[in-house]
Amino acid sequence: QKEVEQDPGPLSVPEGAIVSLNCTYSNSAFQYFMWYRQYSRKGPELLMYTYSSGNKEDGRFTAQVDKSSKYISLFIRDSQPSDSATYLCAMMQGGSEKLVFGKGTKLTVNP
Amino acid sequence: KAGVTQTPRYLIKTRGQQVTLSCSPISGHRSVSWYQQTPGQGLQFLFEYFSETQRNKGNFPGRFSGRQFSNSRSEMNVSTLELGDSALYLCASSWSGVTDTQYFGPGTRLTVL
Repeated sequence: QKEVEQDPGPLSVPEGAIVSLNCTYSNSAFQYFMWYRQYSRKGPELLMYTYSSGNKEDGRFTAQVDKSSKYISLFIRDSQPSDSATYLCAMMQGGSEKLVFGKGTKLTVNP
Repeated sequence: KAGVTQTPRYLIKTRGQQVTLSCSPISGHRSVSWYQQTPGQGLQFLFEYFSETQRNKGNFPGRFSGRQFSNSRSEMNVSTLELGDSALYLCASSWSGVTDTQYFGPGTRLTVL
C-alpha cells in the first residue's frame, strides 16, 4: 500500500461548481498536510497548509484533515477556469524534512 | 524578489552519461529540496539540504547525489543515466525547511535516450 493515495482523475466540472479533492494515507505519524497546485509546465505552488486535524479556510479554498480516518480534502467553491490545474496533496512527519506527495488530480473547469 | 531558478530547463542525454542540474534558491533561503516528477510515480523526494548539510534522503539509488554551496545554491548529479531517469527534476527552497512554505522552481526536463 502506498503511503499516500490520490485519485488521478481527470475531473471536469462546469464553472461555478464546488470541487472536492481527496487523499488518503496510511502513515499515522503524518502531522503536516499540504495542498499544492501545479499548472502545466510550471512547478507546484503551495495552496493550503494544515498542521494536525481540523479545517482551514482561505478565500474559495477549504482544507480539511481527519486524522482518525487518515483522510484529507480540499474544497474549491465557485470554481473558475483559472483553477484548471493538477492538485497535489502532500504530507510529512514532524522532524523528517521529507514530504510525501500524492500523484495529483488533474482538474478542468469549463467556462 | 526573484524566484527559484533552475538550469538548464531542458536536457537530452544518452544512457550511461552523467548529468548535473543546478538550482538557485530565493535570496535568504537556506533549505533546498530536490524532487523527481514522472507520470507513473508522481512527485518523489530526492534529498534536502540546509546550510550545506544533507538532512534527509529519499529512496533513490546512490547514482543520485547532490550538494549545497555556502551561498545556498545547490546541484544534483545523476551518474550512469538510465532510460527510467527521464523526468522533470524540481527543486524547492524555503527559509529553514520543509515545514516552511516551499517555493518551487520551474524544473529541468531531462530526457534520456
